[in-house]
Amino acid sequence: AQTVTQSQPEMSVQEAETVTLSCTYDTSESDYYLFWYKQPPSRQMILVIRQEAYKQQNATENRFSVNFQKAAKSFSLKISDSQLGDAAMYFCAYISNFGNEKLTFGTGTRLTIIP
Amino acid sequence: DVKVTQSSRYLVKRTGEKVFLECVQDMDHENMFWYRQDPGLGLRLIYFSYDVKMKEKGDIPEGYSVSREKKERFSLILESASTNQTSMYLCASSSNDRARGELFFGEGSRLTVL
Repeated sequence: AQTVTQSQPEMSVQEAETVTLSCTYDTSESDYYLFWYKQPPSRQMILVIRQEAYKQQNATENRFSVNFQKAAKSFSLKISDSQLGDAAMYFCAYISNFGNEKLTFGTGTRLTIIP
Repeated sequence: DVKVTQSSRYLVKRTGEKVFLECVQDMDHENMFWYRQDPGLGLRLIYFSYDVKMKEKGDIPEGYSVSREKKERFSLILESASTNQTSMYLCASSSNDRARGELFFGEGSRLTVL
């Protein structure tokens, strides 16, 4: 079974600084997708960024970018120019591209932004 | 915008009560999911449905059942609530036409069982 590990339960960063959230995963498959989801306090979880395993280029969405290391099975999220609105729980997730696989989530990292 | 609406944000129930959590999505999504979220455990899949009247067990189905009589509605049922079912419950939906793994979530239902 696939597993997703987030080893940092909590992180904090000064406003306007850069922070990196870590995620590792375990799979025997070669074709899959990785995600970072954001859950703001008392609000809906939303998709932040998505990476396809067969693409070598790291995904980027505005201030959010990933460092995808397929051989190391590592998928970190970098948030540049951190803003107060970035405070949230961040979940890393994995899904295989085969069959009726469902998303497997990590345990989450709570990010605090220090004004 | 896709909207996933969960009927209750906060519920307090007593041990042994039957509990219904309702979820409605307005984007004609084929797939719907119920997750349970607990601190330190992340999101764990309880049940999911790929079509009307169709359901499949997730990773932690014990103590739960589901119903999907209409495409837009997916209900989670706790037949006899227990204190270990105190948790945050998240409903989500997805479309077969969108990127695989892209889920749209409701705001969650925080259930306390006394």
